[in-house]
Amino acid sequence: GAVVSQHPSRVICKSGTSVKIECRSLDFQATTMFWYRQFPKKSLMLMATSNEGSKATYEQGVEKDKFLINHASLTLSTLTVTSAHPEDSSFYICSASIHNEQFFGPGTRLTVL
Amino acid sequence: AQTVTQSQPEMSVQEAETVTLSCTYDTSESDYYLFWYKQPPSRQMILVIRQEAYKQQNATENRFSVNFQKAAKSFSLKISDSQLGDAAMYFCAYRSFDFGNEKLTFGTGTRLTIIP
Repeated sequence: GAVVSQHPSRVICKSGTSVKIECRSLDFQATTMFWYRQFPKKSLMLMATSNEGSKATYEQGVEKDKFLINHASLTLSTLTVTSAHPEDSSFYICSASIHNEQFFGPGTRLTVL
Repeated sequence: AQTVTQSQPEMSVQEAETVTLSCTYDTSESDYYLFWYKQPPSRQMILVIRQEAYKQQNATENRFSVNFQKAAKSFSLKISDSQLGDAAMYFCAYRSFDFGNEKLTFGTGTRLTIIP
């Protein structure tokens, strides 16, 4: 099956700093990648859809200036949490779509102190 | 907008027994995909099974099968011969297209416990 990686798996940062999370499709090209947020014991909420070579499409209520998404190549999308605050602490998951199926990365746990 | 409802926050089943997880959804579309994902403690999302709405036959993957009732908008997951490794959160998901963009909408999940 298709493999999606995320890096880092865990990150702890100070309030006010920016954090970048990478999502890579390892064995296939993905024109579209997705970024989700999952709160403890909750479901996945789609934050944005990342399209290679164009601007990301953000879901209602997601601040595009706070969660910067770049999809510079067919195998890499990045999510940058700018000026992070404790309320941004969460589990962030990316996925990539191929053959009518989304394959998920292992997730990144972000803790903002 | 599509909604996905999982009415069972928690379920438990004896090892080797069968359990059914419920899922209902709301849509006005006629062609779509439905999925069941498993999220074990590692939190890696794993596809369990998928169903294409235009196919009348229920999907089956080894011990996992679905009961897809299109008119009732119901999509339940049956796990036969439950194993300890089946313990996880299970999410039902609906795939739609919003202005050409694919979108997965997840239910709230069912935590499945396997009793040895």
